Amino acid sequence: AQTVTQSQPEMSVQEAETVTLSCTYDTSESNYYLFWYKQPPSRQMILVIRQEAYKQQNATENRFSVNFQKAAKSFSLKISDSQLGDTAMYFCAFMGGGGYQKVTFGIGTKLQVIP
Amino acid sequence: DSGVTQTPKHLITATGQRVTLRCSPRSGDLSVYWYQQSLDQGLQFLIQYYNGEERAKGNILERFSAQQFPDLHSELNLSSLELGDSALYFCASSVTGGEQPQHFGDGTRLSIL
Repeated sequence: AQTVTQSQPEMSVQEAETVTLSCTYDTSESNYYLFWYKQPPSRQMILVIRQEAYKQQNATENRFSVNFQKAAKSFSLKISDSQLGDTAMYFCAFMGGGGYQKVTFGIGTKLQVIP
Repeated sequence: DSGVTQTPKHLITATGQRVTLRCSPRSGDLSVYWYQQSLDQGLQFLIQYYNGEERAKGNILERFSAQQFPDLHSELNLSSLELGDSALYFCASSVTGGEQPQHFGDGTRLSIL
């Protein structure tokens, strides 16, 4: 079974600074997908970024980028130029590549952006 | 606005009761996912439907059941409720189902007294 581990329960960052959230996972599959979701206080889950395991290039989405280390099974999220609206719970998630696979979520990291 | 509608937003009931949570997916999405989010267990996948058929099953209890109707809306039925069922229940949708849940609803907060 796949597991997703987020070892940082809470983090804080000054506005306009950069912060990195950590995620590790365990799987025996070679083809899979990794995601970061954001859950602001409004509680709606929002897909932030997606990475296909077969792609060597790290995914980027505006101020959000990932550092995907397949051999180390590590998938960290970097948020640049942090904004107050980035304050949220961030969930790392894994999905197998076989189609109709369940998505396994980590426990989440609570990020607070400080003005 | 994700386009996914969940009703009701809040539900308070007692142990032993039965409730139905409803979800309307984003227009054009054929697949619906249900998740349970509790404080101690994070976000847990319950079940997925695609165009009316069950496609994947997660940690869904036997007391829980779900279905997706021809108009693509979905219902999650929870019966013989226990205190531990108190949680936020999310519905999500995606176009094909063979992908990650794309659009999430605002969730239904279920409180068992």
